[in-house]
Amino acid sequence: DAKTTQPPSMDCAEGRAANLPCNHSTISGNEYVYWYRQIHSQGPQYIIHGLKNNETNEMASLIITEDRKSSTLILPHATLRDTAVYYCIGNNAGNMLTFGGGTRLMVKP
Amino acid sequence: KAGVTQTPRYLIKTRGQQVTLSCSPISGHRSVSWYQQTPGQGLQFLFEYFSETQRNKGNFPGRFSGRQFSNSRSEMNVSTLELGDSALYLCASSLEPQGARSYTFGSGTRLTVV
Repeated sequence: DAKTTQPPSMDCAEGRAANLPCNHSTISGNEYVYWYRQIHSQGPQYIIHGLKNNETNEMASLIITEDRKSSTLILPHATLRDTAVYYCIGNNAGNMLTFGGGTRLMVKP
Repeated sequence: KAGVTQTPRYLIKTRGQQVTLSCSPISGHRSVSWYQQTPGQGLQFLFEYFSETQRNKGNFPGRFSGRQFSNSRSEMNVSTLELGDSALYLCASSLEPQGARSYTFGSGTRLTVV
């Protein structure tokens, strides 16, 4: 799995968009970028993934740069329940995921 | 449908003892992976089972072992417990070993070694 780098923490105002960056400059051509989040005392939860194109689902949007060296997870209207640790992972379909330190997102009222 | 079930949720053991943790995957899921989460090391891969066979193993000592039964339920065992084994142990299941795209995690078993 590619090594990823994320800021350790971020704040966001409730109702505003949360933009979480991830650097994955060593990602290989067949590795997808995955985002998971972990709410306190729960297991990680899958959010979204992508290879080259931008992706959107009911939870979030994923913007991947053209060179694939970085990506941004966007939560369009953050709520207090989005407070969690967000993990960016590069993975090529193996089940041995490498989680980094993640970004602790605090959504504030 | 029922999610991934891990039992017990909490466990306190004494140094030197052994412990067995259980994971019941989502119905129909045949792949089960285990992770250890500690404040210092974060989430680390332990091992992965598919069709009762261990497919991958992380960088953990031999005191950590696991198995998977024919109904896909999995257990992991830690022998000769050390204080550093205190952690949240998470199990994830998927239909096939397809990697991160199909993982569903349980809520974990929090093990405290005293």
